[in-house]
Amino acid sequence: EVQLVDSGGGLVQPGGSLRLSCAASGFSLKNYDIHWVRQAPGKGLEWVSAIGTTGATYYPDSVKGRFTISRENARNSLFLQMDNLRAEDTAVYYCARANVVAPDAIYYFDYWGQGTQVTVSS
Amino acid sequence: DIQMTQSPSSLSASVGDRVTITCRASQSISNYLNWYQQKSGRAPKLLIYAASSLQSGVPSRFSGSGSGTDFTLTISSLQPEDFATYFCQQSYRTPLFGQGTKVEIK
Repeated sequence: EVQLVDSGGGLVQPGGSLRLSCAASGFSLKNYDIHWVRQAPGKGLEWVSAIGTTGATYYPDSVKGRFTISRENARNSLFLQMDNLRAEDTAVYYCARANVVAPDAIYYFDYWGQGTQVTVSS
Repeated sequence: DIQMTQSPSSLSASVGDRVTITCRASQSISNYLNWYQQKSGRAPKLLIYAASSLQSGVPSRFSGSGSGTDFTLTISSLQPEDFATYFCQQSYRTPLFGQGTKVEIK
């Protein structure tokens, strides 16, 4: 059974750091693009980062230079290092697996972690 | 940048009603459009991918249509477990979600 388990969230002061983890089971992370998506309280879904099967990484401008996504194949786990955190980073963070429809390479998120809460506050 | 506009932002409906939610892209995205359902406190769940393909295990009362800039999610006969928030997401570029549509009990 495919499963993603998010962890590592918590309360941190502005300017602080957190490292989120996403543990995968039932499939090999290295064979899929994996994304982080967040949801601020009462708000919609916002894409935060992605790592491709080649190891290439992608970020929106809102987190570029502050967040780093990485993958450890031996542990079948994904990480999100978040530095210089701001109040606006407060959200539930989800990891999500991207599956792809050939031949147009339309991707979609077919499995999600349960989410981990990050609160940035003094 | 591609913008996604979802409407309505909320709606009230009764069990058995036919419900339609729309999503409009600011430029053509072909059929690079997915739909998700999210219940309170839970992760999103994939319903429809590539505009009209039903995800495995999702009831057939859910359907998607559209191409280019205009897309629709339809629930043919609303069930009690369908009261939730629905999001569209374009996968033509980096992921972008619509603002969501909350479906409430009338």
